[in-house]
Amino acid sequence: DIQMTQSPSSLSASVGDRVTITCRASQSISTYLNWYQQKPGKAPKLLIYGASKLQSGVPSRFSGSGSGTDFTLTISTLQPEDFATYYCQQSYSIPRTFGQGTKLEVK
Amino acid sequence: QVQLVQSGAEVKEPGASVKVSCKASGYTFTGPWLHWVRQAPGQGLEWMGWINTNSGDPNYAQKFQGRVTMTRDTSITTAYMELSRLGSDDTAVYYCARGIAAAGAKYFDYWGQGALVTVSS
Repeated sequence: DIQMTQSPSSLSASVGDRVTITCRASQSISTYLNWYQQKPGKAPKLLIYGASKLQSGVPSRFSGSGSGTDFTLTISTLQPEDFATYYCQQSYSIPRTFGQGTKLEVK
Repeated sequence: QVQLVQSGAEVKEPGASVKVSCKASGYTFTGPWLHWVRQAPGQGLEWMGWINTNSGDPNYAQKFQGRVTMTRDTSITTAYMELSRLGSDDTAVYYCARGIAAAGAKYFDYWGQGALVTVSS
């Protein structure tokens, strides 16, 4: 199975900050990497697919980059509604696997 | 608009089985595959498998082989996930998610609201 490791596991930031979350795969997954946002009690929401493609309706302050084993999710200017948990997920092989999550909290 | 509406919360005793449904609407049901993902309380996301909504063929994560059955009924555009021999560590929210494969990417673009399954004696 491909292991996905996110860092950091938690992050404190303020509205207006630029935030970067990283995700590392245990083997190359090309650009088969997706990012989801999850708020408490809600289902995950797709933000980025194919490592860098912005899902329709997602604000442009979210961006993704990377290929191979190293990926990043960047929020350019943090908004109040962005405090949530973020997961990366690989879709290169079965089983699909997720990172452990990064909880973004208010500083 | 695309919607995935799941069945309600369930409480089951250890050793029992549970069957969760996922009613799809707003798109051609037999196109995208439906995946199942679970999340234990306070934990991360765990992929369980998918069902090819066209052929009905499933593909299960090895961890759940022999214990999970995924089916679908195209006449009512509904997918099902049945998990047997429940243990306390199966207590989780179970999600269905629509899987898309396009433009060199594969991802889950719509999710059900989740169904909480509690295993307790």
